[in-house]
Amino acid sequence: GAVVSQHPSRVICKSGTSVKIECRSLDFQATTMFWYRQFPKQSLMLMATSNEGSKATYEQGVEKDKFLINHASLTLSTLTVTSAHPEDSSFYICSASVAGFEQFFGPGTRLTVL
Amino acid sequence: AQKVTQAQTEISVVEKEDVTLDCVYETRDTTYYLFWYKQPPSGELVFLIRRNSFDEQNEISGRYSWNFQKSTSSFNFTITASQVVDSAVYFCALGQIQGAQKLVFGQGTRLTINP
Repeated sequence: GAVVSQHPSRVICKSGTSVKIECRSLDFQATTMFWYRQFPKQSLMLMATSNEGSKATYEQGVEKDKFLINHASLTLSTLTVTSAHPEDSSFYICSASVAGFEQFFGPGTRLTVL
Repeated sequence: AQKVTQAQTEISVVEKEDVTLDCVYETRDTTYYLFWYKQPPSGELVFLIRRNSFDEQNEISGRYSWNFQKSTSSFNFTITASQVVDSAVYFCALGQIQGAQKLVFGQGTRLTINP
């Protein structure tokens, strides 16, 4: 149980285009979803926290107009990187949480912007 | 502010050796969670353990053991009789119990087990 999927697992796009990453909790309803970014050989940095039906809360320094988060249901959150540039190339990981605190992580999405 | 420090950036040992990964944390919260995760080359985080700040008992799971010392704000992880499959990046993390329940990760320790 407690499986979280991400789609796509890898994506390559051209600079200036937008990319959408999906995060799904497959066998449970997640009250909260988190989005992390991990640059090569670095740690995971929290980008934003989202609750179903509410606006996401972004961490300091994360541009909310660039990284659009939609949490439309208890099983799906999406992260859209708008007008992607090479410096946005990274490993994006989501996690889903149930009440009482347990974060289950997705397998990650590797984004490469050319 | 919450902070996790893993001072060891990289560790390399020979198979069958014991190895300890250090984790020191800072928090003003009186209650919190501590975690260890393993990240193999595939990138997917593998959950290893969660410890509540109330529970200072050490834990052993097979070749893995954890030493939680609240007095020194440390939560160290030991692998005994290491194996090549243990090679990965290991992250220590600090989690809130109240509020937004965010996780703060340490910088990670890259562990290489050589045959």
